[in-house]
This record gives sequence, structure tokens and C-alpha cells, in this order.
Amino acid sequence: DAGVIQSPRHEVTEMGQEVTLRCKLISGHNSLFWYRQTMMRGLELLIYFNNNVPIDDSGMPEDRFSAKMPNASFSTLKIQPSEPRDSAVYFCASSLRNQPQHFGDGTRLSIL
Amino acid sequence: RKEVEQDPGPFNVPEGATVAFNCTYSNSASQSFFWYRQDCRKEPKLLMSVYSSGNEDGRFTAQLNRASQYISLLIRDSKLSDSATYLCVVKIQGAQKLVFGQGTRLTINP
Repeated sequence: DAGVIQSPRHEVTEMGQEVTLRCKLISGHNSLFWYRQTMMRGLELLIYFNNNVPIDDSGMPEDRFSAKMPNASFSTLKIQPSEPRDSAVYFCASSLRNQPQHFGDGTRLSIL
Repeated sequence: RKEVEQDPGPFNVPEGATVAFNCTYSNSASQSFFWYRQDCRKEPKLLMSVYSSGNEDGRFTAQLNRASQYISLLIRDSKLSDSATYLCVVKIQGAQKLVFGQGTRLTINP
């Protein structure tokens, strides 16, 4: 079975540009989590969805960040406009109800 | 104060040694506890859940002390492949979100 699939694996872009990160959940999972990891702050939850509905977005840093689940198996995290301090590794994870979360390989984002 | 606190290390120990990590959590409503492992430039992966009575998985033993809000992980007979960052993780009752500690970096030396 395929795990959580994230794309792109790496992204380097200039500040001010729009960045879109993508995530495909494990088939059958109904919860989706977006995390950000930096050296300074560790792994932080940005937002999570249950059955396509956002449940807790208190970790989203600013209005520049938005996340959507257009269908049950796919999600996007958008940053517009991007800033250098957004540079981090962004992980997506999925789970079935209260089962353990499975993480994707992450997107390594660098904003110049 | 962070919700989950860990000693960041690094811990450098010789192969075959026993090493222990500790973690404290601040929210008394915490219900479920886990240890995740993260290799360099990789995603976090579940190592083991932590149960109230303590539990063992091969060379790994996890303990929970609810009164002191303290979790531990013991690795016996450490292997070179145990080198990684170990993340203490807590789930609050009634919520699905996981709260991660900063991680403890472990290097096993030959």
C-alpha cells in the first residue's frame, strides 16, 4: 500500500511567490494533519481535518497560510505571499480515527 | 513553558550501552503517549505507544508516571542503527492532535 504522498519533495522560490504544497492521504484514512518542522521550534501542528472538515487551525501562523481538502484523499497547503521565515520542512500525516498517524516524506521549502 | 519538554541532547553513547531519555508534559488532560523516532532528513515514525503499566518492545522499554507527568524510554544493548532523534509525543483527551517534544538526539558510536 502506498503511504502518504507529498509533493514537491523540495521547493526553492523567491519571497513573495505563492507556494502550494500537496498531500495525498493513505487510502481509507479520514484525518489529515499538516505540520511544520524547524530547528528552533521543532514539529508544530498547523491544521488538521476530519472527514474533509477543518477541526483545529489554531497553529496556522498567519492569514498568508491556507489549507484545503477538495476531496477525501487530497489536501493542499498554500502560502501567499511567501517569506524567508516560512522556510522549513512541511509534513503531512494521515490517520484513521484515533489510530496512529502516518507521515509523508515531507516538503523541504526554502524561501530566498 | 512548552507542553512537552525533552532534553535535546545530544547523547553520544558507545554501542552496547543502555541509554534512557526522559520527557515531561504539562497538560494533566493528556491521555495517550507515544515515542516517535526521526532519522536525519526523514519523517517521524511511530516507535511505540506508552501504556500506564509500562511496556516493552524488544530492547525498548517505555514507562509512564501520571502523577509526575513524566514519560521515559530505555534502550538496552544499543545498536548503531538506533542513532536518531527520539520524539516524545502526547495526545490530549478528546482531541486528535499530537503535541511533539523537541526531540532528543542520540548517536551510538562504534
